[in-house]
Amino acid sequence: QKEVEQNSGPLSVPEGAIASLNCTYSDRGSQSFFWYRQYSGKSPELIMSIYSNGDKEDGRFTAQLNKASQYVSLLIRDSQPSDSATYLCAVNDYGNNRLAFGKGNQVVVIP
Amino acid sequence: DAGVTQSPTHLIKTRGQQVTLRCSPKSGHDTVSWYQQALGQGPQFIFQYYEEEERQRGNFPDRFSGHQFPNYSSELNVNALLLGDSALYLCASSATGQGEGHEQYFGPGTRLTVT
Repeated sequence: QKEVEQNSGPLSVPEGAIASLNCTYSDRGSQSFFWYRQYSGKSPELIMSIYSNGDKEDGRFTAQLNKASQYVSLLIRDSQPSDSATYLCAVNDYGNNRLAFGKGNQVVVIP
Repeated sequence: DAGVTQSPTHLIKTRGQQVTLRCSPKSGHDTVSWYQQALGQGPQFIFQYYEEEERQRGNFPDRFSGHQFPNYSSELNVNALLLGDSALYLCASSATGQGEGHEQYFGPGTRLTVT
């Protein structure tokens, strides 16, 4: 059974700072990795996808993948109050197309 | 370009009743996956439909069933509702052969409350 762990508690960051989120996964066969943002009472919104080792940047977001260590991370630069949300890490196998999610990490950006 | 749509938005049912939730995928997508999200948890995979067939199934009982129509829209049916079925039900659509990872896009969800 594929397991995805996001084991840090709520993260409070001052506005303008960098928020760093980590995620580990158990299945070495996992090939696709995603970060979703979920505002309270809303559905998850895809913000980043990464498939190869290394960094991928999109605006203020950077995803980092290390398959050897089985972790994926998300950095949010210049954090804004609008970034306050729960961030969900998800993984799947190429060709499988069923996502396994972590429990999510709540981020609170303090103005 | 219309995104994923779901109906209804909210639903209140009584234990033992049956419920049907509906989903229309994003334009150009042909695969629909259903997830259940309990409060404070990540979404859990229920099943996935492609070409009108259930292709994959998660660890959910047979009370959960589904269907996909020729226009790619989908329904999720839950029979004999239990209090523990109260959750946010999410539909996600994707396109086969789309890029490397079959990115899935979620609809707004249906909040089901069982009393």
